[in-house]
Amino acid sequence: AQKITQTQPGMFVQEKEAVTLDCTYDTSDPSYGLFWYKQPSSGEMIFLIYQGSYDQQNATEGRYSLNFQKARKSANLVISASQLGDSAMYFCAMREGGYQKVTFGTGTKLQVIP
Amino acid sequence: GAGVSQSPSNKVTEKGKDVELRCDPISGHTALYWYRQSLGQGLEFLIYFQGNSAPDKSGLPSDRFSAERTGGSVSTLTIQRTQQEDSAVYLCASSERTGGRDTQYFGPGTRLTVL
Repeated sequence: AQKITQTQPGMFVQEKEAVTLDCTYDTSDPSYGLFWYKQPSSGEMIFLIYQGSYDQQNATEGRYSLNFQKARKSANLVISASQLGDSAMYFCAMREGGYQKVTFGTGTKLQVIP
Repeated sequence: GAGVSQSPSNKVTEKGKDVELRCDPISGHTALYWYRQSLGQGLEFLIYFQGNSAPDKSGLPSDRFSAERTGGSVSTLTIQRTQQEDSAVYLCASSERTGGRDTQYFGPGTRLTVL
């Protein structure tokens, strides 16, 4: 079974609108961390936001927020007020318990339309 | 401050040749990771270092792949007898410590093309 599933290969959003990128995960470890990264066409991986499994509140970082639904094992990324510069690949990732390996999803390509 | 750097940025080699890819992590970061990203795919974990030791080599695809880290800093990923399927972008990341909330900071990658 895939540990990280991103079901949206591609998404379009109008500039200034909000968009939600889906991520579901699979783990039996009670302790885990979830990450979102952005990869523009330049290729660099940029850290956006982190959510720990024991965190009581959903993580927020500026225009990025993580909609964490633990029972559903979902960790969707919400980008508010989309900008043209948000056009990129977005990857969801998970680290389980004491393991150092971070497993990445296959990504969602977001395109922001003017 | 300086981020993670990788060299070369691009490498074209012939099938069967050996290649060395270098990663220079952020100063003071004890953990270092190597990933591979094939065209249009997500990241595939290869190996990670805590200091100079590599507790987890489970992601190395074959014994043609090896990596070392010296002085708790620079790391080299070596691919021997390269094959066409080795063509990919190789990404390096570093973090302050392993586990938990610590964030991996990525380098720009080395694009390897095996002809």
